[in-house]
Amino acid sequence: AQTVTQSQPEMSVQEAETVTLSCTYDTSESDYYLFWYKQPPSRQMILVIRQEAYKQQNATENRFSVNFQKAAKSFSLKISDSQLGDAAMYFCAYRSARSKETSGSRLTFGEGTQLTVNP
Amino acid sequence: NAGVMQNPRHLVRRRGQEARLRCSPMKGHSHVYWYRQLPEEGLKFMVYLQKENIIDESGMPKERFSAEFPKEGPSILRIQQVVRGDSAAYFCASSPVLIGILSGANVLTFGAGSRLTVL
Repeated sequence: AQTVTQSQPEMSVQEAETVTLSCTYDTSESDYYLFWYKQPPSRQMILVIRQEAYKQQNATENRFSVNFQKAAKSFSLKISDSQLGDAAMYFCAYRSARSKETSGSRLTFGEGTQLTVNP
Repeated sequence: NAGVMQNPRHLVRRRGQEARLRCSPMKGHSHVYWYRQLPEEGLKFMVYLQKENIIDESGMPKERFSAEFPKEGPSILRIQQVVRGDSAAYFCASSPVLIGILSGANVLTFGAGSRLTVL
């Protein structure tokens, strides 16, 4: 079974600065997808960024980028020019690319990192 | 496009009562997933359903919990004889059915969650 580990329960960053959130995962599969979701105080789960394991190029979405190290099974999220609205719980998630008939798009989540942005 | 709709947003039950949580997937989505988030924890997979079929219920407790996704109407997560340990946020997510090379785009869209409090 796949596991996802986020070793930083809490992180803080000054507004306009850059912060990196860590995520590691354990899998025996070679084809999979990785995601970062954001959960603000409203509790709504919002997709931030996704990465296909077969792509070597790191995904980027505006101020959000990832550092995907497949051999190390590491998938960190970098937030540049942090804004007050970035304050939230961030979850790393894994999805297998196999067994679609039985698992569909099922995600395995890490425990989350609470990000505080200081003005 | 109303997104994934969950109701009620908040539900209070006394021990021994039944809780029913509803989820209407996004328009065009026929796959539904239920997740549970205990306080201070990440989201844990419970069940994956397609219309009139339970595909994967490996994360569902064996007793008191059931889920359905009828041909017409929303998906229902039912918890019988609730106990205090059932207090949590329950999230529903939906995805489209994309196959083959497009299957990587089967990204889950989450609802805002239903918070169950058992007194």
